Amino acid sequence: DQQVKQNSPSLSVQEGRISILNCDYTNSMFDYFLWYKKYPAEGPTFLISISSIKDKNEDGRFTVFLNKSAKHLSLHIVPSQPGDSAVYFCAASALGGSEKLVFGKGMKLTVNP
Amino acid sequence: KAGVTQTPRYLIKTRGQQVTLSCSPISGHRSVSWYQQTPGQGLQFLFEYFSETQRNKGNFPGRFSGRQFSNSRSEMNVSTLELGDSALYLCASSLGDFGTDTQYFGPGTRLTVL
Repeated sequence: DQQVKQNSPSLSVQEGRISILNCDYTNSMFDYFLWYKKYPAEGPTFLISISSIKDKNEDGRFTVFLNKSAKHLSLHIVPSQPGDSAVYFCAASALGGSEKLVFGKGMKLTVNP
Repeated sequence: KAGVTQTPRYLIKTRGQQVTLSCSPISGHRSVSWYQQTPGQGLQFLFEYFSETQRNKGNFPGRFSGRQFSNSRSEMNVSTLELGDSALYLCASSLGDFGTDTQYFGPGTRLTVL
């Protein structure tokens, strides 16, 4: 039973355009969400997070949107750059509890010059 | 601050052997979590240690075990290796506080079981 789902395995966009990465979750106890980026042969690196008290969080070119009623979050990258090409993982946990961090299977983003 | 370090980076073993992987967390971090990454399954949680105690455990068989030392360094052991254990094993450290706790990952240990 996959509690965090990234249904699209890959996405290809042109440099300068917007990249939208989607993530759905099933556990209503999740209320803290994170995005990680992973390059080959490296561990995942933290990108941005959002807690359920917010519906949007921005950090430079990266914005995460949370729709609690739909149990859906998305990561927007604007403008996309070739260096953004990597695998992106969505993760979720329950705030204040002892829930472990649950990851999606990842989505490969390719930004073409 | 130095990041999370994992040793060794690459390992080749044969079926039936056992292996021990090591993780040194970021200074001041008390929580260490271990994950297995495979192409088909993504990142799967193995277990988390906090202050030398296992605080959380994923759905892996008992062949997978771990421990944490008083300096927060952690080791993960896999006994009786199977071909399906071939994967990238990632360690992540965090402060360990419940709530908005961000994990920082090491580069991983690539284990190949022949």
